[in-house]
Amino acid sequence: DVKVTQSSRYLVKRTGEKVFLECVQDMDHENMFWYRQDPGLGLRLIYFSYDVKMKEKGDIPEGYSVSREKKERFSLILESASTNQTSMYLCASSRPGPGELFFGEGSRLTVL
Amino acid sequence: KQEVTQIPAALSVPEGENLVLNCSFTDSAIYNLQWFRQDPGKGLTSLLLIQSSQREQTSGRLNASLDKSSGRSTLYIAASQPGDSATYLCAVSMVNTGNQFYFGTGTSLTVIP
Repeated sequence: DVKVTQSSRYLVKRTGEKVFLECVQDMDHENMFWYRQDPGLGLRLIYFSYDVKMKEKGDIPEGYSVSREKKERFSLILESASTNQTSMYLCASSRPGPGELFFGEGSRLTVL
Repeated sequence: KQEVTQIPAALSVPEGENLVLNCSFTDSAIYNLQWFRQDPGKGLTSLLLIQSSQREQTSGRLNASLDKSSGRSTLYIAASQPGDSATYLCAVSMVNTGNQFYFGTGTSLTVIP
């Protein structure tokens, strides 16, 4: 069964903390994505990567950075967490084309 | 820029009813269209993928159709069950924007026993 795994389902962090969200896929997909999902705003693309060490900004990259050192792993970094980054974060992967998109279970981040 | 709309935002039906969810998009130059299901607090689960050259796809009680020229897709759910209660989202990928997907805001479905 294909799988996208997000390391943490629930996190609570303090304002100003550095936060790492990890995502691993076992499908050998080239493309990986980070979205955030907020009520009334839908899914918004933060960053995506189409190859190792490659990244592209999405619609809302401010306050975030990403790292892709290995094909199967895509990390989202909040350098200094703020309360407006409280959200559900969703990682996804696909083949180029793009092919079918597969999501992880999501990481619910609360910043106090 | 591609805009994807799903109407209605919420739908409530009695168990056993057949139903149709709608998805419309403004730019017909799509590569594929995908339907997802999302349960509360969870990620998105892929239901059906329709390539731009296809007209429909079926999986069990689900049938998705695509009319690219009119910018519309429908998801038909036959004999609905309470376990079908979830939010259903559609997403399109574009021919000319590489690997990005554009999502609708979803239809929240409640199937009443």
